[in-house]
Amino acid sequence: AQTVTQSQPEMSVQEAETVTLSCTYDTSENNYYLFWYKQPPSRQMILVIRQEAYKQQNATENRFSVNFQKAAKSFSLKISDSQLGDTAMYFCAFMMGSSNTGKLIFGQGTTLQVKP
Amino acid sequence: GAGVSQSPSNKVTEKGKDVELRCDPISGHTALYWYRQSLGQGLEFLIYFQGNSAPDKSGLPSDRFSAERTGGSVSTLTIQRTQQEDSAVYLCASSFPAGTGSYEQYFGPGTRLTVT
Repeated sequence: AQTVTQSQPEMSVQEAETVTLSCTYDTSENNYYLFWYKQPPSRQMILVIRQEAYKQQNATENRFSVNFQKAAKSFSLKISDSQLGDTAMYFCAFMMGSSNTGKLIFGQGTTLQVKP
Repeated sequence: GAGVSQSPSNKVTEKGKDVELRCDPISGHTALYWYRQSLGQGLEFLIYFQGNSAPDKSGLPSDRFSAERTGGSVSTLTIQRTQQEDSAVYLCASSFPAGTGSYEQYFGPGTRLTVT
């Protein structure tokens, strides 16, 4: 069975600085997708960034980038120039590429506090 | 266009009562998911609907939980004889069908269920 582990329950960063959130996963599959979702206090889950396992290049979306290490099964999220609006819970998630359901398997989440 | 909507936003019920939670997916999304988020936990997959196919119910925690999707659109999650451990946020998501390459799941704001 696939599992996703986020080992940092809570993190904080000063506004404008850079922070990295960690995520590791376990799978025997070769075809899969990885995601980072953001959940602010409003509870609305928002997709931050996605990575296809077959792509070697790390995904980037503006201030958000990932460090995808397939052999190490690691998928960390780097937030540059942190903003107060980045304060939220961040979830790492896994989806099998061969899945008929597309269900997401989530980590436990990391609460990020951006301090002014 | 409109996003995924869920109702009610909050629901308080007494132990032993039945509850119904509603999800209205994005128009054109044939895939619909229910997840459960217990306090301080990650999201747990409950059930998946795709068009007229038989749903994937593999995540439902007990036979007190059921869900249906009428007309390929609105879905209702029903919890019978609620227990205190059912207290959680129930999130609905919709997407284009799994395996189509458009795999992003769009989440609703969730229903917070409190069983007293």
